[in-house]
Amino acid sequence: GDSVTQMEGPVTLSEEAFLTINCTYTATGYPSLFWYVQYPGEGLQLLLKATKADDKGSNKGFEATYRKETTSFHLEKGSVQVSDSAVYFCALRGMNTGFQKLVFGTGTRLLVSP
Amino acid sequence: EPEVTQTPSHQVTQMGQEVILRCVPISNHLYFYWYRQILGQKVEFLVSFYNNEISEKSEIFDDQFSVERPDGSNFTLKIRSTKLEDSAMYFCASSQEQGPTEAFFGQGTRLTVV
Repeated sequence: GDSVTQMEGPVTLSEEAFLTINCTYTATGYPSLFWYVQYPGEGLQLLLKATKADDKGSNKGFEATYRKETTSFHLEKGSVQVSDSAVYFCALRGMNTGFQKLVFGTGTRLLVSP
Repeated sequence: EPEVTQTPSHQVTQMGQEVILRCVPISNHLYFYWYRQILGQKVEFLVSFYNNEISEKSEIFDDQFSVERPDGSNFTLKIRSTKLEDSAMYFCASSQEQGPTEAFFGQGTRLTVV
């Protein structure tokens, strides 16, 4: 079945450092890919998405490119802020499920210190 | 901005008791979902609901679980006889349509079974 693998956390960075959180997926066909973020005490919020190969999703300085050849959707940000501290979830919605359910990774906690 | 609201934020219950987790999805959304996250594990799909019936469910969603949309605004998840392993964060989500579109999540209900 479809699955998502994320790098384990926590990822600890200083403010203004470069961020990469790796995400790879297994799915048949062409799933849609998402990054969700969960700030402390809040629900999951969509951060960005890409629906086809080579698409780049971007939002709030974060970017991820849908790489079909490497089945990856790594999240990057050039300069993190303390306010980016949160848990980041990679997810896919695939053709196998009729595009109904999201399949999530385990989440990666990001801690940014001043 | 419209949001998905879940109540309560935290519920403690004794093993064997029934619990009902409540959600108010975004008003013009048609598809509704429950997910759960056991501490330290992946966010897992439980069930999707459309047109007043279950459209997909996972193998986790056994006879102990049920969902209902009793009044056109609330969307509930009932666990009939809770077990210790039901302890998790439960997320409700809704989306306007099926397909590779954004699902909006609530802030979650933390269920602790003792």
